[in-house]
Amino acid sequence: RKEVEQDPGPFNVPEGATVAFNCTYSNSASQSFFWYRQDCRKEPKLLMSVYSSGNEDGRFTAQLNRASQYISLLIRDSKLSDSATYLCAARSNDYKLSFGAGTTVTVRA
Amino acid sequence: DAGVTQSPTHLIKTRGQQVTLRCSPKSGHDTVSWYQQALGQGPQFIFQYYEEEERQRGNFPDRFSGHQFPNYSSELNVNALLLGDSALYLCASSISGANVLTFGAGSRLTVL
Repeated sequence: RKEVEQDPGPFNVPEGATVAFNCTYSNSASQSFFWYRQDCRKEPKLLMSVYSSGNEDGRFTAQLNRASQYISLLIRDSKLSDSATYLCAARSNDYKLSFGAGTTVTVRA
Repeated sequence: DAGVTQSPTHLIKTRGQQVTLRCSPKSGHDTVSWYQQALGQGPQFIFQYYEEEERQRGNFPDRFSGHQFPNYSSELNVNALLLGDSALYLCASSISGANVLTFGAGSRLTVL
């Protein structure tokens, strides 16, 4: 079983819509969680860390559910520039960050 | 402030050859991690270097080796290349103990 699993999508949404997707992790000892954004053929860039109480950064909201071992990302008022692949990541120890395969989001005009 | 720099950006090799990829971490960072990202997949952890030592290794064969230098820069070496080694190789730097990784733009390796 993969350490981190994501729905690959694609999620195809109109501008202004809300889109949400989840990521599950298998290691209950995972301590830190992140969402990274990756544009086509570019490097991943940190979008936001995910805190136990949930956190919001502008139009982006991340939630953590430890009991069910999943994290979520919600994007409100989608922009064309939000089109990207969103990578979920979990850290199980001090050294290794495990990534999912990514969820592709396409925002259409 | 320079971020993480990697070289070369693209390279083509043939099966059986060897390759060396290089990474300079972000200023102030002392830890370097290497990831392999195949097309359509997420980054897979290869190993991490700190204080010139390999601190942890992912599920990669011994053909993959690395090194960290006193100035914190790092190299990834892959011997006896296979077609399946074709991927984007990402270097990520961090401050030891910190959660956040900063990635370089990657080295795209094609093995023919």
